[in-house]
Amino acid sequence: DQQVKQNSPSLSVQEGRISILNCDYTNSMFDYFLWYKKYPAEGPTFLISISSIKDKNEDGRFTVFLNKSAKHLSLHIVPSQPGDSAVYFCAASSVWSGAGSYQLTFGKGTKLSVIP
Amino acid sequence: EAGVAQSPRYKIIEKRQSVAFWCNPISGHATLYWYQQILGQGPKLLIQFQNNGVVDDSQLPKDRFSAERLKGVDSTLKIQPAKLEDSAVYLCASSLETRGLTEAFFGQGTRLTVV
Repeated sequence: DQQVKQNSPSLSVQEGRISILNCDYTNSMFDYFLWYKKYPAEGPTFLISISSIKDKNEDGRFTVFLNKSAKHLSLHIVPSQPGDSAVYFCAASSVWSGAGSYQLTFGKGTKLSVIP
Repeated sequence: EAGVAQSPRYKIIEKRQSVAFWCNPISGHATLYWYQQILGQGPKLLIQFQNNGVVDDSQLPKDRFSAERLKGVDSTLKIQPAKLEDSAVYLCASSLETRGLTEAFFGQGTRLTVV
């Protein structure tokens, strides 16, 4: 039972264009969402996050949009650069898990290829 | 600031053998996680520590996997005996979170191949 879904395994975008990566979730208790970026042979690195009290968070070329009613979030990268080529993981968390802490549930990832 | 350190980077073992992974989190980070990432999947939480106590190990196959966090700092994850389906990347992560949300920082992972 996947609570966080990234339905596109891969995405190819031309350099300079916009990349849009999508993520859906099913657990209505999730209220904090993160995007991680992963290069081959490296661990995931944090990219950007958004709290459920917001619908948009922007950091440079990266913007995350959250649609709570649709249980959907997306990551926009503008403009896309070849160095952005990586696997992007969507992750979701609830503030207070049953353990009194918070945990991340990850999607399967989307491999982004930015073509020069 | 030093990142999360993991060793070894790679390990190949035969099924039914045992293996251990080591993790040193970022200094001062109270929360430590072990994740298993099978090829083509997202990371799946195996166990979570808060200081030296286990917060959640509900997804840890306890018949073969064990983990400990000595003195609330370093941690080891052990598999005994290993099965073919344990082939995966084992990721350690840590976070500063105490009662607030912060992101988790990941190590480079240990790629385990069971043959």
